[in-house]
Amino acid sequence: DTAVSQTPKYLVTQMGNDKSIKCEQNLGHDTMYWYKQDSKKFLKIMFSYNNKELIINETVPNRFSPKSPDKAHLNLHINSLELGDSAVYFCASSFSTGEQYFGPGTRLTVT
Amino acid sequence: DAKTTQPPSMDCAEGRAANLPCNHSTISGNEYVYWYRQIHSQGPQYIIHGLKNNETNEMASLIITEDRKSSTLILPHATLRDTAVYYCILSTDSWGKLQFGAGTQVVVTP
Repeated sequence: DTAVSQTPKYLVTQMGNDKSIKCEQNLGHDTMYWYKQDSKKFLKIMFSYNNKELIINETVPNRFSPKSPDKAHLNLHINSLELGDSAVYFCASSFSTGEQYFGPGTRLTVT
Repeated sequence: DAKTTQPPSMDCAEGRAANLPCNHSTISGNEYVYWYRQIHSQGPQYIIHGLKNNETNEMASLIITEDRKSSTLILPHATLRDTAVYYCILSTDSWGKLQFGAGTQVVVTP
């Protein structure tokens, strides 16, 4: 009965590779988000989708591309991975107004 | 940039109330005060939010001053499982853009 799930939980990859992180929510929410938490523990929003439309796009390298196939899914694809992309990535969902529910996070390590 | 100011850390004895302060002197009329917490290695967890009035739910109480320039999150009976980083965040509640600051590291001790 997991509300917001992410796969994989851990991802170790080499520089230059392309990888994807998947997120699914079963709460019936219409808005989904991606956040990045770096080594200093600061959480920053990256993207937000409402009803499959991009509504928040913070200053994120265009190597990061979110894709929302439907309202319950928001995937994050990262091209040409760099060392600085190492972080924990959290997916979240909510109704367009209201509290956000976060997933367990995906720890990405780029070597 | 976070628009709230919180103490970096505080300790609390198990079973006692924990009062977490937050200053938000530049809050706008349409901004809500949200509180989230992040237990080590987990995703953030919503606690409570409010606009003007004090709010209470099963987890905590939120006290907002009349001028709305500060607020206090109250955990009525802290347990060891309440050890976490607590974030006070302002949001217009539209499209839910949350800007997390450094938060307050709360350690509940036996």
